[in-house]
Amino acid sequence: NAGVTQTPKFQVLKTGQSMTLQCAQDMNHEYMSWYRQDPGMGLRLIHYSVGAGITDQGEVPNGYNVSRSTTEDFPLRLLSAAPSQTSVYFCASKRGSQETQYFGPGTRLLVL
Amino acid sequence: GQQVMQIPQYQHVQEGEDFTTYCNSSTTLSNIQWYKQRPGGHPVFLIQLVKSGEVKKQKRLTFQFGEAKKNSSLHITATQTTDVGTYFCAAPYGQNFVFGPGTRLSVLP
Repeated sequence: NAGVTQTPKFQVLKTGQSMTLQCAQDMNHEYMSWYRQDPGMGLRLIHYSVGAGITDQGEVPNGYNVSRSTTEDFPLRLLSAAPSQTSVYFCASKRGSQETQYFGPGTRLLVL
Repeated sequence: GQQVMQIPQYQHVQEGEDFTTYCNSSTTLSNIQWYKQRPGGHPVFLIQLVKSGEVKKQKRLTFQFGEAKKNSSLHITATQTTDVGTYFCAAPYGQNFVFGPGTRLSVLP
């Protein structure tokens, strides 16, 4: 099993550009989440999904969109990138709401 | 919403010294999880504690859940350079978990 995979690993964007961060898992987990990690602030939840076709907002959803058309994939879309979105983004999946979370390797995003 | 505090924010130890990080919640928790993130890496699950007063050990790591289920600790005995990283606790909040800010451990050889 590959676990949770994320692409790209690194990305540089200009302010106003849009892009999609890809996340896929092969563990047949129902729950998937997107976090951003900024220095000294731990991991903050952006959006999450409890199954295909179901998504909801986390703590910091503004400026991001998600969709969950399949169990395996959970892409994160930046609509119009801003310097404040410079961060490391982690995708995670888990089997149930209180289960272990498995994190992807992360995407490092720099918005100029 | 759920908030989780962790202390200390940073800890520098000499190799062989012990290390402890503490996690505190204002509310009673049904369970608590601990994760480790190596520099440049991603968080990796260490353990989940569920019972009041529970103590679990993983080699040199000892995890404890408080009697009131509002706090938890992670203790590392005789640190090694491989213990370097940031340790996060995570508390349940609805269908998700809220992560503490983490304790960054550096180990001087």
